[in-house]
Parts: sequence; C-alpha cells; structure tokens
Amino acid sequence: RKEVEQDPGPFNVPEGATVAFNCTYSNSASQSFFWYRQDCRKEPKLLMSVYSSGNEDGRFTAQLNRASQYISLLIRDSKLSDSATYLCVVVPGAGSYQLTFGKGTKLSVIP
Amino acid sequence: GAGVSQSPSNKVTEKGKDVELRCDPISGHTALYWYRQSLGQGLEFLIYFQGNSAPDKSGLPSDRFSAERTGGSVSTLTIQRTQQEDSAVYLCASSISGGIYEQYFGPGTRLTVT
Repeated sequence: RKEVEQDPGPFNVPEGATVAFNCTYSNSASQSFFWYRQDCRKEPKLLMSVYSSGNEDGRFTAQLNRASQYISLLIRDSKLSDSATYLCVVVPGAGSYQLTFGKGTKLSVIP
Repeated sequence: GAGVSQSPSNKVTEKGKDVELRCDPISGHTALYWYRQSLGQGLEFLIYFQGNSAPDKSGLPSDRFSAERTGGSVSTLTIQRTQQEDSAVYLCASSISGGIYEQYFGPGTRLTVT
C-alpha cells in the first residue's frame, strides 16, 4: 500500500457544485495532515491544515478519520478559480519534518 | 515580502553533463527542503537542511546527487553525470523551522536531460 493515496481524477464539475476528495494514508502513527493546492505548472501552496476535530475555511472543509486513516476535503459552491490539483500531505510522526505527498487529485470546474 | 526563489527556471542539458540548481529561501527560515516532481508523479523528498545540523540526505536517489547550504541560507543542488531519468521539476521549499510548519515553495527548476 502506498504511503499516501489519492484518486487522480480528473473531477470535472460545474460551477456551484460541491465536490469531495478523499485521501488515505498507510502510517497509523502519522501526526499532521495538510491539503496543498498546485496550479498547472506552478508550485504547491498550503490550502489548509487538517485538524482532528475537522476544520472549515470559507467554502473548504477538511476532515480527518484516524480510525480509517483517511482525510477528506470538501469544496462547496465551486468556482472556476478552484480548478487545480489538490495534494494530500501527511507528516509521518511526531517530530518528523518530512512531508509525504500524494500524487494529487485534479479538479476542473466548468462554466 | 520576497518568497523562495530558484534559478534557473529552466535548464536543458545533455546526458552526462553536471548541473547546479540554486535556491534562495525566505529570509529567516531555518529549514530548507529539496523535492523532485516528475511528470504525473507526486513530490519526492530529496534532502532537508535545518540550521547548522547535519542534513538529512535520505531521499537522494543516487550518489550523483548532492546538495549544500552555505551560511544557513542559499542552497545548491548538484546533479553529476545527468541521466534522462533525472528530467523533472526540482522544487525547493523553506519553512520557519522543521516539523509541521507551512512549507513555502519556490517556482521550481524544470530540468530536461536530452
């Protein structure tokens, strides 16, 4: 099983739709989780951290399920500008500095 | 303020040549990372520098790859005797410290080995 797995997509959704991505991780000792966003031919940028209690930032909601070892990202009211690749990122353990990246899920929001 | 900068933005080289890639991290960031992103692949960790500590080189794919960080700031990734499979985007990132802090990425160097 790969360390961090994501559905590569692409997810093609109309403007205004709600879309959800899941990500699974193999290391049960993983401590920290993030979603990064990467636009085409650009560098990744932090979208949001994922907290155990779940967290929301505007139209974006991140959830963590430690028992099942998966992380989700929900985007409501999709905008054209949300089109990008979303990278699931896991920090393997306490005190670790290495980020393990999934290959990303591509989202295209269509007018 | 200024972000992470990398140079060159693009590099085309012939197989067997050596290349040097440069990264200028955000001022004050003690942690610096190098990653590689091949087409259709996720980011692959290469090396990590934290302050004056010995770097973690565990991600370097072969002894043709090396990196240094001078004065706790600028870093250079060197690839000797380049191979076609080295073709990728090489991304540098810095963070205020190691661990769970946000990593800020540079725009990357697109390396093509012909």
